[in-house]
Amino acid sequence: NAGVTQTPKFQVLKTGQSMTLQCAQDMNHEYMSWYRQDPGMGLRLIHYSVGAGITDQGEVPNGYNVSRSTTEDFPLRLLSAAPSQTSVYFCASSYSGGNSANEKLFFGSGTQLSVL
Amino acid sequence: KNEVEQSPQNLTAQEGEFITINCSYSVGISALHWLQQHPGGGIVSLFMLSSGKKKHGRLIATINIQEKHSSLHITASHPRDSAVYICAASVFTGTASKLTFGTGTRLQVTL
Repeated sequence: NAGVTQTPKFQVLKTGQSMTLQCAQDMNHEYMSWYRQDPGMGLRLIHYSVGAGITDQGEVPNGYNVSRSTTEDFPLRLLSAAPSQTSVYFCASSYSGGNSANEKLFFGSGTQLSVL
Repeated sequence: KNEVEQSPQNLTAQEGEFITINCSYSVGISALHWLQQHPGGGIVSLFMLSSGKKKHGRLIATINIQEKHSSLHITASHPRDSAVYICAASVFTGTASKLTFGTGTRLQVTL
C-alpha cells in the first residue's frame, strides 16, 4: 500500500493564480481532510469529507474548494491564490476521522506553497 | 486560548535522558492522538488513546480523562528522537469527527 500520496511537494504561485493540490489514498478510508500548518500555530482544518460525495468546511475554509468524487481522491483547489495562503498543506485520511482510540491517522508528505 | 495546549514548546535533552511532554485540552474528546513530525515535514501517528496507557518501544503515552491531560514519555532518549511532537484531540460533533491540534513540542536530543 502506498498510503496517502500528496502532490506537489513544492509550489510557487503568483497572487491570483489557481491550482489544485492532489491527495489520494489506497486504504479505502472514508474520512479525508486537508490541513494547513503555519509557524507557531497548530495544524488547522480546512475542509474534510466523510465519504464520496460528502464534504464540509473546517476551521479555515475561505479561499479553498474541495470535492470528493471517489473514495480514493480528495483534491484541494485554491481558487485565486493570496499571500495569506502561503503555508504548508497536509492531506490526511483515516477510517472515521480519528474518533476511535484504535484508529490510526495517515498523513501525506506535505506541500510547501508560497504565494508571491 | 487554544483548546489544546502543549508544554514545553521547546525541549533539549542529552542522550539517555527521560523525557516528558504534556498536553492539556479543554474540550470533551473521543480520542487523543500523539504525532511525530521530523524535519522535512512528514507526520507519523504514534499513539491513539481514549483511556489509560499505551507503550511502544521506548515511548509511553498516558491519558487522564478526568483531568483532561495526556503525557508522552520517551525513555532512554536518542538523537533520532529529535522531532516535533504534536498532540491532537478528536472531538465528535454528532455528524463527524474533527481534530484540534496543539502547536507542538520541538525536541532536540544531543549526544
